[in-house]
Amino acid sequence: QSVLTQPPSASGTPGQRVTISCSGSSSNIGSNTVNWYQQLPGTAPKFLIYSNNQRPSGVPDRFSGSKSGTSASLAISGLQSEDEADYYCAAWDDSLNGLVFGGGTKLTVL
Amino acid sequence: EVHLVESGGGLVQPGGSLRLSCAASGFTFSDYYMDWVRQAPGKGLEWVGRTRNKANSYTTDYAASVKGRFTISRDDSKNSLYLQMNSLKTEDTAVYYCARVVAGYNSGWYYATPDYWGQGTLVTVSS
Repeated sequence: QSVLTQPPSASGTPGQRVTISCSGSSSNIGSNTVNWYQQLPGTAPKFLIYSNNQRPSGVPDRFSGSKSGTSASLAISGLQSEDEADYYCAAWDDSLNGLVFGGGTKLTVL
Repeated sequence: EVHLVESGGGLVQPGGSLRLSCAASGFTFSDYYMDWVRQAPGKGLEWVGRTRNKANSYTTDYAASVKGRFTISRDDSKNSLYLQMNSLKTEDTAVYYCARVVAGYNSGWYYATPDYWGQGTLVTVSS
């Protein structure tokens, strides 16, 4: 049972826009910034979004993040086949005094 | 280019110990916080713990699941991060990643989260 809640799966067709939600509480998302990671099969996670909506250098602007209250979302526009991966949200939790992850969302490009 | 390489994984019996290492290059290691994150087979990511830098007194934080059993240390002179794992349990079986932590402020909000990750090393706890 993950501290942050994500849907286990999401899907879309090429070119479509998809969103992945991440729900938390006042001790994590409600009081800290949210970060997102992409994990392709058999590889290490890749840094995707930090501080709610900032993209690291090299991440396409098709990826965007947002946060409202105790929830956050990752949006992927212009979906491509290479976006098929697992996506994880993460935030610091002040009560647990640690970084907490969502359970991950498996994105399928149909 | 940032490069992180974990080593030391393998098969260990329940109750045993193992020490993982992470060799860092391509950045000023001593300036950064460093994390360990693990992933059990077929499961999601789980944060293990963090060591801060000298400016922050090398303080450490751990996940509740490993606190008291695992110890994170670093040797800035060797650009290396370590994870000493004692009293290992079958549920500690996972790929263990070391990760550099990027920290700063954006629009007044503080962030500190892993940016670069190693390729991981597999730890299997089994009799």
